[in-house]
Amino acid sequence: KQEVTQIPAALSVPEGENLVLNCSFTDSAIYNLQWFRQDPGKGLTSLLLIQSSQREQTSGRLNASLDKSSGRSTLYIAASQPGDSATYLCAVCTTSGTYKYIFGTGTRLKVLA
Amino acid sequence: DVKVTQSSRYLVKRTGEKVFLECVQDMDHENMFWYRQDPGLGLRLIYFSYDVKMKEKGDIPEGYSVSREKKERFSLILESASTNQTSMYLCASGKRHNRGYQPQHFGDGTRLSIL
Repeated sequence: KQEVTQIPAALSVPEGENLVLNCSFTDSAIYNLQWFRQDPGKGLTSLLLIQSSQREQTSGRLNASLDKSSGRSTLYIAASQPGDSATYLCAVCTTSGTYKYIFGTGTRLKVLA
Repeated sequence: DVKVTQSSRYLVKRTGEKVFLECVQDMDHENMFWYRQDPGLGLRLIYFSYDVKMKEKGDIPEGYSVSREKKERFSLILESASTNQTSMYLCASGKRHNRGYQPQHFGDGTRLSIL
């Protein structure tokens, strides 16, 4: 059964720092992996989607990488800003069963001004 | 601007009541989803629908049912609400792909309290 883990659960950094958020999964047979952002009291906003055949995706200051063989993905945020403060979740779509997402519990990020 | 709209942001109900949570999307998406989100447990899929009148159980369907009579609307029903159903409920929609049922757009959630 696929399990998705995000460590750390919470992170505080000063503004301007480059940072890496981690996501690990137990079953490497995945269809794709997606990173989401969730602001307090809000729904999820899709940030980056990586297909299983891809190694990374980039959008602005965000870069997500995928290493299926080791069961890991990282979200790199360059030059962090207070507006980046949110909870970041990764979700893995497995190829077993009905190709549904399994979500991690998220990393709560606070960027200090 | 694409939108998934959930009818209530906050809802308080009593145990034993029948509760309806409504969700509407304006993107003509085939797939719609209901999740619940609890601290330390993350998002868990309750039900999803891939077409009108079609539904599939997710990981935690017990105590819930769903209805999809129109493409844009997906309702979650708590048949007899219990306190362990107090949670944040998130609706999502997604376009049909060759494979899989992955949500793309989420509503802002309904925080449901069962007293």
